[in-house]
Amino acid sequence: DAMVIQNPRYQVTQFGKPVTLSCSQTLNHNVMYWYQQKSSQAPKLLFHYYDKDFNNEADTPDNFQSRRPNTSFCFLDIRSPGLGDAAMYLCATSRDGLVTGEQFFGPGTRLTVL
Amino acid sequence: SQQGEEDPQALSIQEGENATMNCSYKTSINNLQWYRQNSGRGLVHLILIRSNEREKHSGRLRVTLDTSKKSSSLLITASRAADTASYFCATGDMRFGAGTRLTVKP
Repeated sequence: DAMVIQNPRYQVTQFGKPVTLSCSQTLNHNVMYWYQQKSSQAPKLLFHYYDKDFNNEADTPDNFQSRRPNTSFCFLDIRSPGLGDAAMYLCATSRDGLVTGEQFFGPGTRLTVL
Repeated sequence: SQQGEEDPQALSIQEGENATMNCSYKTSINNLQWYRQNSGRGLVHLILIRSNEREKHSGRLRVTLDTSKKSSSLLITASRAADTASYFCATGDMRFGAGTRLTVKP
């Protein structure tokens, strides 16, 4: 089945230790997104790739970076995680851009920062 | 920043009852989407309504959109325990509201 896969599902890191979360998709969608969702809050868009074009949200901290080496994979790098970065990180895809179509979400990676 | 705002924040009903959730947004939109999220999981797309549509149905779901009031509602009819989840609206630029936590008691 076509899907969005996130690995790992649970990630524990130490304060200040770089961490990478990964996302892959078999939908062959053009757009991939990363969201941060803290407990009992709405998902917050961090950035998205339309094909190879990177689009950063204005209020996304510099501590968060992303890479998309090919259509199928997208990575979220947190360079120096702080306690406030503990959250669920959701990857999503859509066939077209932001204003047009539905998004398909992965199951999320829950990040704990010790 | 948030675009949509849902109310109520939490809703508890009995199985078989209808559940209505409301969403308000601030700027012009091309479309509005509703998503469901089970606890600790990813979001599942429920329905998309375009700005030139007023009402849309999908199974037990009914969504309305009033662009003059910048508001939308999601109605779930004949609710089931499996409908227990958080429901979010999202505007076309994927700004999510805070969500409504729905609990359906068997």
